[in-house]
Amino acid sequence: SQQGEEDPQALSIQEGENATMNCSYKTSINNLQWYRQNSGRGLVHLILIRSNEREKHSGRLRVTLDTSKKSSSLLITASRAADTASYFCATVNFGNEKLTFGTGTRLTIIP
Amino acid sequence: DTAVSQTPKYLVTQMGNDKSIKCEQNLGHDTMYWYKQDSKKFLKIMFSYNNKELIINETVPNRFSPKSPDKAHLNLHINSLELGDSAVYFCASNIGGPNTGELFFGEGSRLTVL
Repeated sequence: SQQGEEDPQALSIQEGENATMNCSYKTSINNLQWYRQNSGRGLVHLILIRSNEREKHSGRLRVTLDTSKKSSSLLITASRAADTASYFCATVNFGNEKLTFGTGTRLTIIP
Repeated sequence: DTAVSQTPKYLVTQMGNDKSIKCEQNLGHDTMYWYKQDSKKFLKIMFSYNNKELIINETVPNRFSPKSPDKAHLNLHINSLELGDSAVYFCASNIGGPNTGELFFGEGSRLTVL
């Protein structure tokens, strides 16, 4: 079964707007990772946030983690057409060596 | 100089056949993985190996047999292929396991069973 569920399943926004994707998970985690997958391609790592961290930034990406709510969000600011892709959160649980993926959000940036 | 390379990229075959997908990484990583992505884009881990040793073996039919001849290679052999095996299979690697950091993925091998 999937550890994470992402919301929304699909999101379409105009270029230049900000995109926010949410991820909820079920059990305590060691870390949470976000990946991007362009159509027909492999997954590319974006950000890793550990359970003792609350926020991380990388360029136009901002990730937050709320372990009390078992949720994370990925914010992409000033979106570009090239950001069109599927975005997945993935978690590593304590005592577990598996990286388990969420259901993904399909993001479409309209030029 | 691709970091994680998989071959073949596309594979079309008949039910009942046996096929293999190869994976090689040139990153010097200790841990390698196989993931399966179904038609709904759900990604599920199948196996992981650390330094040629099997670490994770999810509930996968024993028709699937991974083989790691050395820590840079993790191949996936599938016997008696079934329609439900149609999916995209991704190989990945990282240094020391998912607790330590990001996974690097190959471009995927799309398997179609007719």
